[in-house]
Amino acid sequence: GQQVMQIPQYQHVQEGEDFTTYCNSSTTLSNIQWYKQRPGGHPVFLIQLVKSGEVKKQKRLTFQFGEAKKNSSLHITATQTTDVGTYFCAGKGTYKYIFGTGTRLKVLA
Amino acid sequence: DVKVTQSSRYLVKRTGEKVFLECVQDMDHENMFWYRQDPGLGLRLIYFSYDVKMKEKGDIPEGYSVSREKKERFSLILESASTNQTSMYLCASGGQSYEQYFGPGTRLTVT
Repeated sequence: GQQVMQIPQYQHVQEGEDFTTYCNSSTTLSNIQWYKQRPGGHPVFLIQLVKSGEVKKQKRLTFQFGEAKKNSSLHITATQTTDVGTYFCAGKGTYKYIFGTGTRLKVLA
Repeated sequence: DVKVTQSSRYLVKRTGEKVFLECVQDMDHENMFWYRQDPGLGLRLIYFSYDVKMKEKGDIPEGYSVSREKKERFSLILESASTNQTSMYLCASGGQSYEQYFGPGTRLTVT
C-alpha cells in the first residue's frame, strides 16, 4: 500500500540554525499537507501544496512539492524556540491522507 | 473558529471493556476521521466517514468500529479493549482536499 516516509525522525538544532524535514511517498500524490504538533497539543494545519514544483513561504517556513509529486520538504530558516514540535506531512492518496511518521524538532536556546 | 471536541482527555479502562470515544465538530464538515498516534509511528488512520451513516476502513481498523448517526458526531468504539489499544486517539474533521481540524485527543490507557 501507499507509504509516506519522513526524515529525520528527530532533529536538535541551536536557536538560529536552519532546519529541514523531508517527506517521500512511494506513489504520486495529488497534493500534500503539512501539520505542526506542539508538545502536548494536537496537529495544526500549516499549508497545502497542489502543483508540481510548487514552492510556498510562510515567514521563515518554506514548503516545496517535488516535480514528480512524490516528495516534499519543509525548511525553517533561523529557528526559534517557538518552532519546537513535531512536523508531519500528509500525502493524499486515492481517498484519504497518509501521514508521515513526523520529525520532532528541538531548539536549544 | 472551527471546533472539534472529544469527550475525554484521559481515559482508563480495563481489558475486555467496551469503550466509546465521542467526537463532535461544529463546522458542518462532511468528512470525519479517527486516528491513533503512537511514538515513532505517527498518525495512523483507523476509520473515516464522508457522510452520515457512511464509513470506510482506514489502515488499522481491526478491533474498532465507528458510528456516524449525525453529521456532527463521529464515535469510535472499542468492542473489547485490549492493552495494545493503549494510545492517543485523535479525531479530525474536514474535506478530502482540505485541511483537517483535529480535536485535543483522548489518551486511553487499557490495563
